[in-house]
Amino acid sequence: DVKVTQSSRYLVKRTGEKVFLECVQDMDHENMFWYRQDPGLGLRLIYFSYDVKMKEKGDIPEGYSVSREKKERFSLILESASTNQTSMYLCASSLFRGGKKRLHYGYTFGSGTRLTVV
Amino acid sequence: AQSVTQPDIHITVSEGASLELRCNYSYGATPYLFWYVQSPGQGLQLLLKYFSGDTLVQGIKGFEAEFKRSQSSFNLRKPSVHWSDAAEYFCAVAPNNAGNMLTFGGGTRLMVKP
Repeated sequence: DVKVTQSSRYLVKRTGEKVFLECVQDMDHENMFWYRQDPGLGLRLIYFSYDVKMKEKGDIPEGYSVSREKKERFSLILESASTNQTSMYLCASSLFRGGKKRLHYGYTFGSGTRLTVV
Repeated sequence: AQSVTQPDIHITVSEGASLELRCNYSYGATPYLFWYVQSPGQGLQLLLKYFSGDTLVQGIKGFEAEFKRSQSSFNLRKPSVHWSDAAEYFCAVAPNNAGNMLTFGGGTRLMVKP
């Protein structure tokens, strides 16, 4: 089975700190995603990446950046953490094949990182 | 733009009762359809998916879903709910002719009464 591993389950950081959330997948997936999840707001896409060194903004990229230097690793960076970034962060990866035999296998999610900024 | 609607934010059922969670999508063609489950404090786990063919799809943990093209629906069902099914459930769709992005519904939180 594909495994998506998020480095921390729980994090507590101070306002203004630079925060790194790490995500690693072990099945050579091209696509990786970062979401945040808040009560009543569902899943909101922050950034995604289709390939190494490629990144695309999602719906709520402000205050975040990402890095994908290796295919298996996708990092989310909070440049200067703020209390409104307290949330559950979910990483996902997917295998997608385009062309005539287009197939979509869905996303595989990590267990999440619950970040508290104080 | 495509959208996914889960009309029920919360549902409570008794243990052993049957369950149906509703999902409607808005898209011009039949998309790929998915159901995910999220236990408290966890990530999302894929329950089942529909690409084409038989409109009744079997998934893990005894769940099934039925695709109804005429109603643009993909409802999730389980004949007999267990207390461990208490979780949040998300429906998701992806277009079948372009791109890779999933669009998620807002989720339905299931509570199970003893």
